[in-house]
Amino acid sequence: DTAVSQTPKYLVTQMGNDKSIKCEQNLGHDTMYWYKQDSKKFLKIMFSYNNKELIINETVPNRFSPKSPDKAHLNLHINSLELGDSAVYFCASSQAGGAINEQFFGPGTRLTVL
Amino acid sequence: GDSVTQMEGPVTLSEEAFLTINCTYTATGYPSLFWYVQYPGEGLQLLLKATKADDKGSNKGFEATYRKETTSFHLEKGSVQVSDSAVYFCALSADQGAQKLVFGQGTRLTINP
Repeated sequence: DTAVSQTPKYLVTQMGNDKSIKCEQNLGHDTMYWYKQDSKKFLKIMFSYNNKELIINETVPNRFSPKSPDKAHLNLHINSLELGDSAVYFCASSQAGGAINEQFFGPGTRLTVL
Repeated sequence: GDSVTQMEGPVTLSEEAFLTINCTYTATGYPSLFWYVQYPGEGLQLLLKATKADDKGSNKGFEATYRKETTSFHLEKGSVQVSDSAVYFCALSADQGAQKLVFGQGTRLTINP
């Protein structure tokens, strides 16, 4: 049973296209995240949702739009893809409230923009 | 803003060697500190954590102690194995509300038999 799953695992596309990455968690968590890992392995948060509500938006271009249909899903839609969007995108989830809790990560989606 | 600085990699060691990966942080307030590990082709997994000063996190033979006076959280293991080869990330979370993780740049560790 995969705790945090992402699809697709690999995505190769042309500049200017629009694409989506899906994320689902079966842990019953109420907070989900998107992180971007660049070619040098540097990881940076992009978005965080708590109970379908956006709580973190880290100066990400508005070509990136997260959507949370319910608290188990957080999808990432990217419009007008650029070369610089090539990266590995990780989804994560955690239980909010009280102490700072462990985040569980998905396996990542490697996006290559040609 | 909050930041984490890790020892520059890559690090290459022989099996059974002693490992230290340095991590220092800058944060307002009292962050929780984490080490995550990323094995080749996989997502990140939590290795250990510490939530207050002088706490020691430990798991799979790895240890790290939260040192507030030196703002450090160095990762150590007494005897590494080939299977420990991975990228290690130090991270902090200083905001209980948003629970945003701020990562260091990662340290690639290779263990040779």
